[in-house]
Amino acid sequence: GQQVMQIPQYQHVQEGEDFTTYCNSSTTLSNIQWYKQRPGGHPVFLIQLVKSGEVKKQKRLTFQFGEAKKNSSLHITATQTTDVGTYFCAGRKGTYKYIFGTGTRLKVLA
Amino acid sequence: DVKVTQSSRYLVKRTGEKVFLECVQDMDHENMFWYRQDPGLGLRLIYFSYDVKMKEKGDIPEGYSVSREKKERFSLILESASTNQTSMYLCASSLTGGGWSNQPQHFGDGTRLSIL
Repeated sequence: GQQVMQIPQYQHVQEGEDFTTYCNSSTTLSNIQWYKQRPGGHPVFLIQLVKSGEVKKQKRLTFQFGEAKKNSSLHITATQTTDVGTYFCAGRKGTYKYIFGTGTRLKVLA
Repeated sequence: DVKVTQSSRYLVKRTGEKVFLECVQDMDHENMFWYRQDPGLGLRLIYFSYDVKMKEKGDIPEGYSVSREKKERFSLILESASTNQTSMYLCASSLTGGGWSNQPQHFGDGTRLSIL
């Protein structure tokens, strides 16, 4: 079946370093959403990308959607301890169904 | 603020038992979803519902069924629990957006289910 893979699975960074997670789909996606799950918490919606090649920013976070709409990335500039958590991408397949990526767990060392 | 409430935070059941997980949302959302979350596998969709009494299979429906008799409530049923169904179960809800734009999913806090 369709898969959405994320790399890396884990990332440890020093506070102040940059971080990037990549999301790759085997098929074209209608749109893509990104979620953050803090340790012990539930996934919380961050942003949605719809257009081919789209780039959106939220403060230190930059989200990109690939030209072929099969991949996406999330880049965090100058990580802080508050960025700790697992980041998931979710690609829309069909009207209601989203396929979630495997997630990237970020640890930030102070 | 959207509130998605799952009936139990932790649950321990025995192999072969019939298990009910309940989810209620308070924002009149059309869509509701059940996922299971396992380390290294992300969130996998079990079932979803886009209207009362309507349901569709997700990617891993085997061993599960669902019920949606009222708009605000979506139940996940493990017909005969097995140890490989030990997992974190997450419920989510969303509005139906128009065109290419879909609304974000709002998640409950999850139920950590252990099958002994």
